[in-house]
Amino acid sequence: GQQVMQIPQYQHVQEGEDFTTYCNSSTTLSNIQWYKQRPGGHPVFLIQLVKSGEVKKQKRLTFQFGEAKKNSSLHITATQTTDVGTYFCAVSERGFKTIFGAGTRLFVKA
Amino acid sequence: DSGVTQTPKHLITATGQRVTLRCSPRSGDLSVYWYQQSLDQGLQFLIQYYNGEERAKGNILERFSAQQFPDLHSELNLSSLELGDSALYFCASSVANRGDYGYTFGSGTRLTVV
Repeated sequence: GQQVMQIPQYQHVQEGEDFTTYCNSSTTLSNIQWYKQRPGGHPVFLIQLVKSGEVKKQKRLTFQFGEAKKNSSLHITATQTTDVGTYFCAVSERGFKTIFGAGTRLFVKA
Repeated sequence: DSGVTQTPKHLITATGQRVTLRCSPRSGDLSVYWYQQSLDQGLQFLIQYYNGEERAKGNILERFSAQQFPDLHSELNLSSLELGDSALYFCASSVANRGDYGYTFGSGTRLTVV
């Protein structure tokens, strides 16, 4: 079945530093989604990437889909304490059965 | 408020018991998905329903079952509960049969088996 590896598992940063999490698949993906889960909260959909090499930005967040559609990254510029949480990538088998990566937990020190 | 309603928010029960978790999807969404999240773990896909029919199954135990009713709300039944079943159970919904437009998650039901 579909599997996706997400790294790193944890990341501690000083406020103002950048942060990147990576998602890798052994198979070509039709699309990839990113979610954020705040501590004690529920996952919230951030974005979906579909096209090879696609880059999308949301304020300080930059999402990228690899040329081969086998990997993706989420980059946060100048982290803030509000960025704390776990970031998940998610991929689906033919649109069904969406599988989530293990997540990257971001800690931001003020 | 995401629009996906899950009840109850918390549930404490003993081993061997049976519980039912309820989910009402966001208005207009036809698909419901159930996920299990153990402490500090990822989200494990359990099962998906679309407009009342089962569409995809994940690693759902035989002790667990689910259904989606004509009014589109869904219930997840967990029986013969074990300590290891303690987890957060999330319901999510999407407008389409496929999750191509992202899922909207509810706030979850925290199940504690003692």
